[in-house]
Amino acid sequence: GAVVSQHPSRVICKSGTSVKIECRSLDFQATTMFWYRQFPKQSLMLMATSNEGSKATYEQGVEKDKFLINHASLTLSTLTVTSAHPEDSSFYICSARDAHAGPRSYEQYFGPGTRLTVT
Amino acid sequence: AQSVSQHNHHVILSEAASLELGCNYSYGGTVNLFWYVQYPGQHLQLLLKYFSGDPLVKGIKGFEAEFIKSKFSFNLRKPSVQWSDTAEYFCAVNARSSGTYKYIFGTGTRLKVLA
Repeated sequence: GAVVSQHPSRVICKSGTSVKIECRSLDFQATTMFWYRQFPKQSLMLMATSNEGSKATYEQGVEKDKFLINHASLTLSTLTVTSAHPEDSSFYICSARDAHAGPRSYEQYFGPGTRLTVT
Repeated sequence: AQSVSQHNHHVILSEAASLELGCNYSYGGTVNLFWYVQYPGQHLQLLLKYFSGDPLVKGIKGFEAEFIKSKFSFNLRKPSVQWSDTAEYFCAVNARSSGTYKYIFGTGTRLKVLA
């Protein structure tokens, strides 16, 4: 149980275009999902917290207009990188929290990640 | 500000050697603690977690960790490493911030086990 998927796993796009990444909780409902960015050989940095039915909460330094987050259902959150530039190339990872896990509801389940390359 | 420190950035061991990876966190309230492993080219996998109770936690693949509250530490150990343990290890703290629980990750420790 508690599987999180991401699509696509890899994407290459041209500079100036937009890319959408999907994060799905497959066997549980997630009122809260998280988006992380991982640079090569570095740790995961939280970008934003995605709440179902409301606006995402962005971490300091993350441009909300550049990284658009939509959490329209209890099993799906999307991250859209708008007007992508080469410096946006990175590994993007989402995680989800089981809304019905009781005391363990703060545990997060991670997706496999999406490698974005902007040329 | 909350933070997680992993002091060992790179560790090289021979097979059968014992492993201990340090993790210290900075947070005054209740925390939930995790160790994740990331094998080359793969996604994060949970090794073990501590919520409450026995501070000595056993995880998968022979790993264990000990929560020492007075030292704000949650060190990862394994008595005898294998070549297949070569991976990157992340310590994470889940703590309440701005009304929600968030993960704060350490910078990671890259372990290489020599056959």
